[in-house]
Amino acid sequence: DAGITQSPRHKVTETGTPVTLRCHQTENHRYMYWYRQDPGHGLRLIHYSYGVKDTDKGEVSDGYSVSRSKTEDFLLTLESATSSQTSVYFCAISLAGGQNEQFFGPGTRLTVL
Amino acid sequence: GDSVTQMEGPVTLSEEAFLTINCTYTATGYPSLFWYVQYPGEGLQLLLKATKADDKGSNKGFEATYRKETTSFHLEKGSVQVSDSAVYFCALSDGAGGYNKLIFGAGTRLAVHP
Repeated sequence: DAGITQSPRHKVTETGTPVTLRCHQTENHRYMYWYRQDPGHGLRLIHYSYGVKDTDKGEVSDGYSVSRSKTEDFLLTLESATSSQTSVYFCAISLAGGQNEQFFGPGTRLTVL
Repeated sequence: GDSVTQMEGPVTLSEEAFLTINCTYTATGYPSLFWYVQYPGEGLQLLLKATKADDKGSNKGFEATYRKETTSFHLEKGSVQVSDSAVYFCALSDGAGGYNKLIFGAGTRLAVHP
């Protein structure tokens, strides 16, 4: 158990609504990541953080923003949800950068109607 | 750019059968390679890893060898169980940009029947 929780675990929302997903870790790891999982695509990186208030974009960042005000929390916000953002969202952590393994949370299933 | 290609699923096997899931990669540097497993309704769990050429990662009866000459990291298990039914993801990390960038294959679903 990597000590990662995500909330909510399930959410249904309507197009145009803002949505915030939360990732919380108890491991004090420096690096945190947000991925989305879609059939046929594996996992794709949305944003990542390498420290408090230090974040950067991944390969599919359009329509998403993130914030990290504390080491343990990494928030993903959809400013105005669209149906194309219906997906399963996973948070991950790693102790260091480089080529170290990442540990994943249980996921949030988001449906945008 | 870097990429990972996995064999398409689903793979359907009978219990105690031999399993191979193919994974090949493209990378400019010398990446670390990983296999993750995802059970229904859960997140991804690290199954095994290898950090350099000819390394063999192993865990829970699964094995994979880092083959630089064929740019492959095939997952094998000698005798699968129903409990191995899951989706398996091959991934690489090249460490580019200082952060731990993981690139995933599309995943291969394995179904094991009694």
